[in-house]
Amino acid sequence: QKEVEQNSGPLSVPEGAIASLNCTYSDRGSQSFFWYRQYSGKSPELIMFIYSNGDKEDGRFTAQLNKASQYVSLLIRDSQPSDSATYLCAGTGGTSYGKLTFGQGTILTVHP
Amino acid sequence: DGGITQSPKYLFRKEGQNVTLSCEQNLNHDAMYWYRQDPGQGLRLIYYSQIVNDFQKGDIAEGYSVSREKKESFPLTVTSAQKNPTAFYLCASSARDSKETQYFGPGTRLLVL
Repeated sequence: QKEVEQNSGPLSVPEGAIASLNCTYSDRGSQSFFWYRQYSGKSPELIMFIYSNGDKEDGRFTAQLNKASQYVSLLIRDSQPSDSATYLCAGTGGTSYGKLTFGQGTILTVHP
Repeated sequence: DGGITQSPKYLFRKEGQNVTLSCEQNLNHDAMYWYRQDPGQGLRLIYYSQIVNDFQKGDIAEGYSVSREKKESFPLTVTSAQKNPTAFYLCASSARDSKETQYFGPGTRLLVL
């Protein structure tokens, strides 16, 4: 069973702090990884994708990928209360085009 | 206004009834997907389709059926064989050249009466 595991939550950080969300995956063939944000009762919205080793930055968000360690992370700088949501990590299947495997999600709360 | 639409927003199913959830996209995406989300859980793939008139089972296809007669549409039927259908159903689509990036519709919440 190919799996994506996210660090157990919930995670609580103060406003202005850095929130660190982590994800490991078991399928070495996985090529692309995605972070989605899901507000309560809503559908997931894409924050970032990453498919090369290293860091990728977009505004306050930085995704990090380490294929040797099979590890993906999302850093949120200057966290805001509006960042409070469930964050889903997903990876593609190496031999199954288009199939994403999702982690169970990490609940983030940013308190003022 | 491009995007993915799902209807209805809420759906109630009676015992032994088949119900169909609608998913339409005007993004000209080739691939479409159906996921199920249970409270506090991640998303699990039900069915996916990469091209018109072709679809494949996902991880939890039992009790569900789909069709893909048009590129824009990928309806999901929850049959009476699905004994625990209460969940949040999400449709997604992706373009062939987009590194498999999937975008989601607003979802349909299915409840059993």
